[in-house]
Amino acid sequence: AQSVTQLDSQVPVFEEAPVELRCNYSSSVSVYLFWYVQYPNQGLQLLLKYLSGSTLVKGINGFEAEFNKSQTSFHLRKPSVHISDTAEYFCAVRRWQAGTALIFGKGTTLSVSS
Amino acid sequence: EAGVAQSPRYKIIEKRQSVAFWCNPISGHATLYWYQQILGQGPKLLIQFQNNGVVDDSQLPKDRFSAERLKGVDSTLKIQPAKLEDSAVYLCASSLGLAGLSDTQYFGPGTRLTVL
Repeated sequence: AQSVTQLDSQVPVFEEAPVELRCNYSSSVSVYLFWYVQYPNQGLQLLLKYLSGSTLVKGINGFEAEFNKSQTSFHLRKPSVHISDTAEYFCAVRRWQAGTALIFGKGTTLSVSS
Repeated sequence: EAGVAQSPRYKIIEKRQSVAFWCNPISGHATLYWYQQILGQGPKLLIQFQNNGVVDDSQLPKDRFSAERLKGVDSTLKIQPAKLEDSAVYLCASSLGLAGLSDTQYFGPGTRLTVL
């Protein structure tokens, strides 16, 4: 079975500061890794995904994440955040088999203030 | 390209009542998912369809929840009777369902259910 742990439930930061949202996973099989963002009263939007290849993945809105197999981590980073980045962020895993469901962490609330 | 559509966006019912949610996936997407997102938690899969067949419903409370995907396109999720703990956002997602890497799931805006 797979599981996802998001280590911080809330992360408050000031505008233009860097941010890191931490995600660890456990799985007995190979998985794909994802970060989704959820703005208030909206569905989930894909930020980025790691499928294979380079361990540094770049996504939308200036976010990036690094896959670390030895530490089973997939932390999300942004060098300079904006007020508009305030949202809930979810880390998720999926088995390699096509058409399998995502398993999500509990989410991290990023609050950006001026 | 139109996204995943869901309706209604909000629903308030009393416990023991029935409720139904509707989802229209992205055109051409073979796989459809229903997730339940309880406040403060990540989404959890309820049921997954491949075309009009059920792939995984292991976490669906079958004594009260049911879902169908007639003709392999739209889907309906029903709760009968509802309990207080069913208060949540119900998210529908779809994907191409292709073998290989490019099977990204796209989510609808969700239906927020409040059971009083």
